[in-house]
Amino acid sequence: QKEVEQDPGPLSVPEGAIVSLNCTYSNSAFQYFMWYRQYSRKGPELLMYTYSSGNKEDGRFTAQVDKSSKYISLFIRDSQPSDSATYLCASHTGGFKTIFGAGTRLFVKA
Amino acid sequence: ETGVTQSPTHLIKTRGQQVTLRCSSQSGHNTVSWYQQALGQGPQFIFQYYREEENGRGNFPPRFSGLQFPNYSSELNVNALELDDSALYLCASTLGGGTGELFFGEGSRLTVL
Repeated sequence: QKEVEQDPGPLSVPEGAIVSLNCTYSNSAFQYFMWYRQYSRKGPELLMYTYSSGNKEDGRFTAQVDKSSKYISLFIRDSQPSDSATYLCASHTGGFKTIFGAGTRLFVKA
Repeated sequence: ETGVTQSPTHLIKTRGQQVTLRCSSQSGHNTVSWYQQALGQGPQFIFQYYREEENGRGNFPPRFSGLQFPNYSSELNVNALELDDSALYLCASTLGGGTGELFFGEGSRLTVL
Protein backbone atom coordinates (compact mmCIF):
# COMPACT_ATOMS: atom_id res chain seq x y z
CA GLN A 1 0.00 0.00 0.00
CA LYS A 2 1.36 3.42 -0.95
CA GLU A 3 1.65 5.92 1.90
CA VAL A 4 -0.24 8.56 -0.11
CA GLU A 5 -2.93 7.48 -2.57
CA GLN A 6 -4.34 9.76 -5.24
CA ASP A 7 -6.69 9.16 -8.17
CA PRO A 8 -4.67 9.95 -11.33
CA GLY A 9 -7.71 11.15 -13.27
CA PRO A 10 -7.79 12.80 -15.71
CA LEU A 11 -10.45 15.15 -14.44
CA SER A 12 -12.08 17.44 -17.01
CA VAL A 13 -14.29 20.36 -15.97
CA PRO A 14 -15.75 23.46 -17.64
CA GLU A 15 -14.34 26.88 -16.84
CA GLY A 16 -15.89 28.32 -13.69
CA ALA A 17 -16.58 24.94 -12.07
CA ILE A 18 -15.62 24.04 -8.51
CA VAL A 19 -12.94 21.36 -8.55
CA SER A 20 -12.43 18.86 -5.75
CA LEU A 21 -9.17 16.90 -5.60
CA ASN A 22 -8.64 14.24 -2.96
CA CYS A 23 -6.00 12.02 -1.42
CA THR A 24 -5.84 9.46 1.35
CA TYR A 25 -2.81 8.55 3.42
CA SER A 26 -1.86 5.67 5.67
CA ASN A 27 0.95 6.99 7.90
CA SER A 28 -0.48 8.31 11.19
CA ALA A 29 2.79 10.12 11.85
CA PHE A 30 2.22 12.56 9.00
CA GLN A 31 1.82 16.07 10.43
CA TYR A 32 2.37 18.33 7.42
CA PHE A 33 0.27 18.27 4.28
CA MET A 34 0.90 19.99 0.99
CA TRP A 35 -0.49 20.46 -2.47
CA TYR A 36 1.90 21.05 -5.35
CA ARG A 37 0.94 22.05 -8.88
CA GLN A 38 2.99 20.77 -11.80
CA TYR A 39 2.60 22.14 -15.31
CA SER A 40 3.71 20.04 -18.24
CA ARG A 41 7.50 19.90 -18.56
CA LYS A 42 7.99 21.88 -15.36
CA GLY A 43 8.93 21.10 -11.77
CA PRO A 44 6.27 21.09 -9.05
CA GLU A 45 5.47 24.35 -7.25
CA LEU A 46 3.93 24.63 -3.82
CA LEU A 47 0.29 25.73 -3.69
CA MET A 48 -0.77 25.05 -0.11
CA TYR A 49 1.03 23.98 3.08
CA THR A 50 -0.91 23.00 6.19
CA TYR A 51 -0.09 21.57 9.58
CA SER A 52 -2.35 18.96 11.21
CA SER A 53 -6.10 18.99 10.69
CA GLY A 54 -8.22 21.90 9.55
CA ASN A 55 -8.81 24.21 6.63
CA LYS A 56 -6.59 26.75 4.92
CA GLU A 57 -7.75 29.20 2.27
CA ASP A 58 -5.69 31.16 -0.22
CA GLY A 59 -7.61 33.01 -2.88
CA ARG A 60 -9.53 30.49 -4.99
CA PHE A 61 -7.84 27.54 -3.28
CA THR A 62 -8.90 25.79 -0.07
CA ALA A 63 -7.01 22.89 1.48
CA GLN A 64 -8.67 20.58 3.99
CA VAL A 65 -7.09 17.91 6.17
CA ASP A 66 -9.06 15.41 8.23
CA LYS A 67 -6.57 13.40 10.26
CA SER A 68 -9.30 11.22 11.80
CA SER A 69 -10.10 9.79 8.36
CA LYS A 70 -6.63 10.38 6.86
CA TYR A 71 -8.16 12.43 4.06
CA ILE A 72 -6.64 15.42 2.24
CA SER A 73 -8.62 17.66 -0.10
CA LEU A 74 -8.00 20.65 -2.35
CA PHE A 75 -10.87 22.75 -3.65
CA ILE A 76 -10.49 25.18 -6.53
CA ARG A 77 -13.26 27.73 -6.99
CA ASP A 78 -14.03 29.46 -10.28
CA SER A 79 -11.61 27.21 -12.13
CA GLN A 80 -9.69 28.72 -15.04
CA PRO A 81 -8.01 27.14 -18.07
CA SER A 82 -4.69 28.23 -16.51
CA ASP A 83 -5.44 25.81 -13.65
CA SER A 84 -4.96 22.91 -16.07
CA ALA A 85 -2.05 20.99 -14.58
CA THR A 86 -1.20 17.96 -12.48
CA TYR A 87 -1.93 18.39 -8.78
CA LEU A 88 0.23 16.44 -6.35
CA CYS A 89 -0.71 15.91 -2.72
CA ALA A 90 2.18 15.32 -0.35
CA SER A 91 2.87 14.69 3.32
CA HIS A 92 5.74 14.43 5.74
CA THR A 93 6.39 13.83 9.42
CA GLY A 94 8.73 16.78 9.90
CA GLY A 95 11.78 14.76 8.86
CA PHE A 96 13.78 14.82 5.67
CA LYS A 97 11.46 13.00 3.28
CA THR A 98 8.31 14.25 1.59
CA ILE A 99 5.97 11.56 0.25
CA PHE A 100 4.00 12.42 -2.88
CA GLY A 101 0.86 10.98 -4.37
CA ALA A 102 0.81 10.00 -8.02
CA GLY A 103 -0.86 13.28 -9.04
CA THR A 104 -4.26 14.07 -10.57
CA ARG A 105 -4.32 15.56 -14.08
CA LEU A 106 -6.86 18.38 -14.30
CA PHE A 107 -8.17 19.90 -17.53
CA VAL A 108 -10.28 23.06 -17.37
CA LYS A 109 -12.07 23.70 -20.66
CA ALA A 110 -12.76 27.27 -21.81
CA GLU B 1 16.84 35.85 -5.91
CA THR B 2 17.71 33.03 -8.30
CA GLY B 3 15.66 29.86 -8.44
CA VAL B 4 16.75 26.25 -8.64
CA THR B 5 18.49 25.42 -11.91
CA GLN B 6 19.26 21.97 -13.26
CA SER B 7 21.39 20.69 -16.10
CA PRO B 8 21.20 19.10 -18.54
CA THR B 9 17.49 19.39 -19.31
CA HIS B 10 17.42 16.27 -21.49
CA LEU B 11 19.83 13.44 -22.08
CA ILE B 12 19.89 9.99 -23.60
CA LYS B 13 22.11 7.20 -22.32
CA THR B 14 22.43 3.50 -22.99
CA ARG B 15 22.07 0.73 -20.45
CA GLY B 16 25.18 0.25 -18.33
CA GLN B 17 26.45 3.81 -18.76
CA GLN B 18 26.89 6.38 -16.00
CA VAL B 19 25.28 9.81 -15.72
CA THR B 20 25.84 12.96 -13.67
CA LEU B 21 23.07 15.50 -13.16
CA ARG B 22 23.69 18.93 -11.68
CA CYS B 23 21.70 21.33 -9.57
CA SER B 24 22.18 24.86 -8.29
CA SER B 25 20.12 25.63 -5.21
CA GLN B 26 17.92 28.65 -4.69
CA SER B 27 19.92 31.51 -3.23
CA GLY B 28 20.33 31.11 0.55
CA HIS B 29 19.16 27.47 0.66
CA ASN B 30 21.58 25.00 2.26
CA THR B 31 19.61 21.78 1.79
CA VAL B 32 19.13 19.88 -1.46
CA SER B 33 16.89 16.89 -2.10
CA TRP B 34 16.73 14.76 -5.22
CA TYR B 35 13.57 13.08 -6.46
CA GLN B 36 12.86 10.66 -9.30
CA GLN B 37 9.56 11.09 -11.15
CA ALA B 38 8.61 8.29 -13.51
CA LEU B 39 6.01 9.02 -16.20
CA GLY B 40 2.54 9.30 -14.66
CA GLN B 41 3.86 9.02 -11.11
CA GLY B 42 4.60 11.38 -8.27
CA PRO B 43 8.18 12.28 -7.28
CA GLN B 44 9.98 9.64 -5.20
CA PHE B 45 12.61 10.71 -2.67
CA ILE B 46 16.15 9.61 -3.50
CA PHE B 47 18.24 11.43 -0.89
CA GLN B 48 18.89 14.74 0.80
CA TYR B 49 22.10 16.66 1.44
CA TYR B 50 22.53 19.19 4.21
CA ARG B 51 25.81 21.00 4.76
CA GLU B 52 27.60 18.64 2.36
CA GLU B 53 26.50 15.48 4.21
CA GLU B 54 23.84 12.96 3.20
CA ASN B 55 21.01 13.67 5.58
CA GLY B 56 18.60 10.90 4.61
CA ARG B 57 18.00 8.38 1.86
CA GLY B 58 15.01 6.77 0.21
CA ASN B 59 14.66 3.27 -1.15
CA PHE B 60 17.22 3.54 -3.95
CA PRO B 61 20.25 1.29 -4.52
CA PRO B 62 23.82 2.45 -3.85
CA ARG B 63 24.44 3.05 -7.55
CA PHE B 64 22.53 6.28 -6.94
CA SER B 65 24.97 8.63 -5.20
CA GLY B 66 25.31 12.33 -4.67
CA LEU B 67 27.45 15.23 -3.61
CA GLN B 68 26.84 18.67 -2.23
CA PHE B 69 29.46 21.36 -2.61
CA PRO B 70 30.36 24.27 -0.28
CA ASN B 71 28.28 26.65 -2.42
CA TYR B 72 25.32 24.24 -1.85
CA SER B 73 25.16 23.14 -5.46
CA SER B 74 24.70 19.41 -5.88
CA GLU B 75 25.23 16.43 -8.17
CA LEU B 76 23.31 13.21 -8.62
CA ASN B 77 25.33 10.32 -10.06
CA VAL B 78 23.78 7.12 -11.33
CA ASN B 79 26.03 4.18 -12.29
CA ALA B 80 25.21 1.09 -14.33
CA LEU B 81 22.08 2.63 -15.82
CA GLU B 82 19.03 0.43 -16.23
CA LEU B 83 16.03 0.93 -18.48
CA ASP B 84 13.84 1.65 -15.42
CA ASP B 85 16.05 4.63 -14.56
CA SER B 86 14.35 6.53 -17.38
CA ALA B 87 12.55 9.35 -15.57
CA LEU B 88 12.49 13.05 -14.73
CA TYR B 89 15.04 13.79 -12.02
CA LEU B 90 14.06 16.72 -9.86
CA CYS B 91 16.25 18.73 -7.55
CA ALA B 92 14.60 20.66 -4.74
CA SER B 93 16.17 23.08 -2.30
CA THR B 94 15.03 24.26 1.08
CA LEU B 95 16.51 26.00 4.08
CA GLY B 96 17.75 24.45 7.29
CA GLY B 97 17.70 20.68 6.81
CA GLY B 98 14.62 18.54 7.18
CA THR B 99 11.86 19.26 4.74
CA GLY B 100 9.60 22.25 4.50
CA GLU B 101 8.51 24.02 1.35
CA LEU B 102 10.46 22.42 -1.47
CA PHE B 103 11.57 24.69 -4.30
CA PHE B 104 11.94 22.52 -7.37
CA GLY B 105 13.95 22.97 -10.52
CA GLU B 106 12.49 22.05 -13.89
CA GLY B 107 14.21 18.70 -13.88
CA SER B 108 16.53 16.64 -16.03
CA ARG B 109 14.76 14.14 -18.26
CA LEU B 110 16.84 10.98 -18.62
CA THR B 111 16.09 8.36 -21.24
CA VAL B 112 17.94 5.04 -21.00
CA LEU B 113 17.94 2.94 -24.17
